[in-house]
Amino acid sequence: DAGVIQSPRHEVTEMGQEVTLRCKPISGHNSLFWYRQTMMRGLELLIYFNNNVPIDDSGMPEDRFSAKMPNASFSTLKIQPSEPRDSAVYFCAARTGVSDTQYFGPGTRLTVL
Amino acid sequence: QKEVEQNSGPLSVPEGAIASLNCTYSDRGSQSFFWYRQYSGKSPELIMSIYSNGDKEDGRFTAQLNKASQYVSLLIRDSQPSDSATYLCAVIQGSARQLTFGSGTQLTVLP
Repeated sequence: DAGVIQSPRHEVTEMGQEVTLRCKPISGHNSLFWYRQTMMRGLELLIYFNNNVPIDDSGMPEDRFSAKMPNASFSTLKIQPSEPRDSAVYFCAARTGVSDTQYFGPGTRLTVL
Repeated sequence: QKEVEQNSGPLSVPEGAIASLNCTYSDRGSQSFFWYRQYSGKSPELIMSIYSNGDKEDGRFTAQLNKASQYVSLLIRDSQPSDSATYLCAVIQGSARQLTFGSGTQLTVLP
């Protein structure tokens, strides 16, 4: 099992550009979480899906952020337009339906210039 | 208001010593507690989970939970330089079973 896969691993973009982050969860893990980590705010939950359905997006900072999970093996987090304050590491994590343990992907380090 | 509190450190201990990491939480209904280790530039990695009051041991790691005091701790015995990392306390809160993370404690084990 390859674990949670995220792409790209690093993204550098300019303010105003659209950014799309991708996540492939572990097969059979039916809950998927998007987190953002910064030095100032630590690890924050942005949104999570259960069986591909968004359950709680209260952590999404602004309308510039959107997330989708079109099927059980793929999710995207989009920022449009991006701003320098969006610079952070974005993690995707997966969980099965019978355990509370979350398994994290390697993260995407986003830098918005 | 932060719901899971940790001392941010940094905490330094000599090699071979016991490192003690502490965490408090505000939601009395919390039932599941986790310790994650995060090396610099890497993703969080689960090292311990605990659900009942008392101690849970796994190798050199011991998690301690006291629900009455809303307190969970992690002890690392015989600390090694490879244990140098940030340790994140995480608590399941609410019916949605979401994890709330503390800000982490940075541990350095000095050779």
